Amino acid sequence: ETGVTQTPRHLVMGMTNKKSLKCEQHLGHNAMYWYKQSAKKPLELMFVYNFKEQTENNSVPSRFSPECPNSSHLFLHLHTLQPEDSALYLCASSQDSGVSNQPQHFGDGTRLSIL
Amino acid sequence: GESVGLHLPTLSVQEGDNSIINCAYSNSASDYFIWYKQESGKGPQFIIDIRSNMDKRQGQRVTVLLNKTVKHLSLQIAATQPGDSAVYFCAEKGGSYIPTFGRGTSLIVHP
Repeated sequence: ETGVTQTPRHLVMGMTNKKSLKCEQHLGHNAMYWYKQSAKKPLELMFVYNFKEQTENNSVPSRFSPECPNSSHLFLHLHTLQPEDSALYLCASSQDSGVSNQPQHFGDGTRLSIL
Repeated sequence: GESVGLHLPTLSVQEGDNSIINCAYSNSASDYFIWYKQESGKGPQFIIDIRSNMDKRQGQRVTVLLNKTVKHLSLQIAATQPGDSAVYFCAEKGGSYIPTFGRGTSLIVHP
């Protein structure tokens, strides 16, 4: 149990569907992150929220829309995705994204497949 | 841009042997380094970290070594067990405080 829970664990959707990924952390952290993990590639940072404010948007297409209603919850809303968006989407949290010497704690991800 | 890489994509060892996984980094400003373990179907799990003012740190069966001169990081696993089979990757943090991750090394432990 990592303290970071992601749902659903698996998601299959068509390119015209709208779905949302959910992340919840029980660690009392203030920073939350979305990453994309594709086969044989390093983790790609998508978004960072620190104290509910978005601090990083790593040139992510607008078909991905994050939402952070509070420090414990993070959503990723998906709309009109492309086949190349199929990947493992990982959520992470840390105490504060503005502090260097702290590790991130990851959830087990949502495996997303776009038909 | 800066990058973090791993020398070997796959490492096979026998159960009971010691394993060494290497990582090269290129950002001389990085001051914090982390090793993660990712098992199949799971997210990355924090193993151990080290700050740049140290050159060695030990945990339970794991040791991380940092050589700032050649920008090299290694993870040593003692008495490797089948449960250690996973992908291991390093991450570095510099001034941006957002970590940069390597591709990963797959460790395969044979019984």
